[in-house]
Amino acid sequence: AQSVTQPDIHITVSEGASLELRCNYSYGATPYLFWYVQSPGQGLQLLLKYFSGDTLVQGIKGFEAEFKRSQSSFNLRKPSVHWSDAAEYFCAVEGGNKLVFGAGTILRVKS
Amino acid sequence: NAGVTQTPKFRVLKTGQSMTLLCAQDMNHEYMYWYRQDPGMGLRLIHYSVGEGTTAKGEVPDGYNVSRLKKQNFLLGLESAAPSQTSVYFCASSYPPPGDGYTFGSGTRLTVV
Repeated sequence: AQSVTQPDIHITVSEGASLELRCNYSYGATPYLFWYVQSPGQGLQLLLKYFSGDTLVQGIKGFEAEFKRSQSSFNLRKPSVHWSDAAEYFCAVEGGNKLVFGAGTILRVKS
Repeated sequence: NAGVTQTPKFRVLKTGQSMTLLCAQDMNHEYMYWYRQDPGMGLRLIHYSVGEGTTAKGEVPDGYNVSRLKKQNFLLGLESAAPSQTSVYFCASSYPPPGDGYTFGSGTRLTVV
C-alpha cells in the first residue's frame, strides 16, 4: 500500500526567503503525486501534480516541485515566500483508486 | 461554479445519535470520496465510490456507512456517533485516475459530546 511521509510538522521562514517542504512516498508502481494547500478553516486546493514526463513541475502561486525517483521524493519549493503563503501543505500519492495524504506541514511566515 | 458542496458545515451531536452528511458535485465526476481530518494525522480515507451504485472501504471505515444512489451525490452516515468521531469531514470528487486531482468541499466540522 502507498504511504507518504512529511518529515517536518512545522516550518517557519521569513518573508522573502526561499522555501522547501519535504515529501517522501512509498508506492510500488509509477506514482501520481500531488501537493495541496489548506488555509485555516478552508478546504484543500491543488497546487500542482506530477504524472509523468518532466520531473520539475510548475504549479499555481509560484510553487514548483521536483520528482526524484531515486530518492522517492517530491519536494515542494518556492523561491520567495509571501505572508499569504502561511497555511498547511499536504503531499499526496494516488494509487488503487484513492489518494493517500501525508500528515501535513504547517508553514509559518514571519515578517 | 459550485464544485463540491457539503452540508451541513457544522454539527454537534450527542453520543449515540445518528446523522447523515451530504456531498453534492456538479462536475460529472465518476469518483467520490469521504475523508476525515484530525490534527497531525493528515486526511484519512473513510469510504469512496468509483461510480453510481458502488462503494468501497477506505482506511478508517468503522462506524460509518455510505451510499451513492445518484452520480452527483455521496452520503456519509453515522449510525451511533461516538466522541472519537469528532473531526472535520471532507468530501472530494475526481475523474478516474490519472485525473486532474481531486476537488474538495469546504468541510463539515462535527463535534460529538
